[in-house]
Amino acid sequence: QSALTQPPSASGSPGQSVTISCTGTSSDVGGYNYVSWYQQHPGKAPKLMIYEVTKRPSGVPHRFSGSKSGNTASLTVSGLQAEDEADYYCNSYAGSNNFAFFGTGTKVTVL
Amino acid sequence: EVQLVQSGAEVKKSGESLKISCKGSGYIFSNSWIGWVRQMPGKGLEWMGIIYPGDSDTRYSPSFEGQVTISADKSISTAYLQWSSLQASDTAMYYCARLVSSTYYFDYWGQGTLVTVSS
Repeated sequence: QSALTQPPSASGSPGQSVTISCTGTSSDVGGYNYVSWYQQHPGKAPKLMIYEVTKRPSGVPHRFSGSKSGNTASLTVSGLQAEDEADYYCNSYAGSNNFAFFGTGTKVTVL
Repeated sequence: EVQLVQSGAEVKKSGESLKISCKGSGYIFSNSWIGWVRQMPGKGLEWMGIIYPGDSDTRYSPSFEGQVTISADKSISTAYLQWSSLQASDTAMYYCARLVSSTYYFDYWGQGTLVTVSS
């Protein structure tokens, strides 16, 4: 089993939307509603942005939303702002024998 | 306020041993799993393993089984990650994070410990 697949990069202008995909298998993303997303700015620790596919922790802006269809989860950032420029990682549980996996990571650039 | 505070940066030579720490506060440390995550230079995040400080139940990602040892001392609310013989390939940033085990996500993260190993 290897990491979940994310596009290496995504970009958008301020105010636009960007969607990042996270593709796994029926044994991880498709098998459980246990997908989470993390934002990481350079030199900083990751920060939880979405958990249980669609839920936002307190303090995370409403412009961040999550969804899932089949074996692919997605993170959408609406109304892009300069501070959204960061790396984003998905994560999914893969069962008690397979543990859990992070995605390969996506660098979001605000043009 | 939940906080995880990690020990400082380390510079070691190949073959040396090392133990880094992660101290929790602001919650009942014994009652939540703690995970360790590796980030090699310029690369992505990797699960290493998790520990439940209440009874020291420990689970390792297959890639790290036998390569590192995860432990915890609940009396001082601290989790540890250790190596018996470092290699240059262990050079990375290491994060601890609190795991919400019911749905498997990390809600709070430490600031990271940079480990540099020279050959």
